Amino acid sequence: DGGITQSPKYLFRKEGQNVTLSCEQNLNHDAMYWYRQDPGQGLRLIYYSQIVNDFQKGDIAEGYSVSREKKESFPLTVTSAQKNPTAFYLCASSSNEQFFGPGTRLTVL
Amino acid sequence: GEDVEQSLFLSVREGDSSVINCTYTDSSSTYLYWYKQEPGAGLQLLTYIFSNMDMKQDQRLTVLLNKKDKHLSLRIADTQTGDSAIYFCAERRGTSYGKLTFGQGTILTVHP
Repeated sequence: DGGITQSPKYLFRKEGQNVTLSCEQNLNHDAMYWYRQDPGQGLRLIYYSQIVNDFQKGDIAEGYSVSREKKESFPLTVTSAQKNPTAFYLCASSSNEQFFGPGTRLTVL
Repeated sequence: GEDVEQSLFLSVREGDSSVINCTYTDSSSTYLYWYKQEPGAGLQLLTYIFSNMDMKQDQRLTVLLNKKDKHLSLRIADTQTGDSAIYFCAERRGTSYGKLTFGQGTILTVHP
C-alpha cells in the first residue's frame, strides 16, 4: 500500500514541552511538506524539503524545526517557542501532484 | 487579502449541481488543484488543471479555468450527501518548486 502516514493521530502537550510529529511516505517522492491548518483558514506552509538533507522555511516556520535524514521521513518538532501550537498538522509529499497524510491534531493543555 | 480566495459556504440540495468558485492572483501559476477534506481527515486530491487548459472533465467533476479573470471553478454534477466536505483550491506558482498556495476552503453542505 503506497501512501503517507502520520503519527500519532491525536497528541496532547503541556505548555513548555517540545513534541515531535512523525511523517513517513513510501511513494518515493523527493519533496515533502508540513502545513498547519486552523479553523476557517487555509493551509499554511511551515517547512518544506526538496531533497534529503535539505529543507527550507515556509511562511510560518517560527517555533518549529524539521530534519530530513531519509527520503521517506520528514519529522516536525513543535518547540516551546511556538506560542499557539494547538492546530491540525498535515504532512504532504509530491512529484507533480501533492498528496497528503491523514493529519495529527495537537492540543496544548 | 488572501492570494487565493474562495467563498466560505455553499449549500445545495441532493441531486443538484454544485459550483465552487476560486480566484487567484498570480499569473505565473502553472497548475491549479482542487482538494476535498472530510472531517478530521487529510486532503484528498480530486483533480487538477494545467494553466494552458480551459476545461477538464473527470466523471462528475468539471473544472473551468478563466486565465484572463484568474478564476477557477469546480462543478460537481448530481451532488450527493457524501460530497459534503470542505473543498480547497490551490495554485502552484511558476517559481514555487512544488509549493502550493491554498484558499481558505469552501464548506459544502448537501441537504437530502
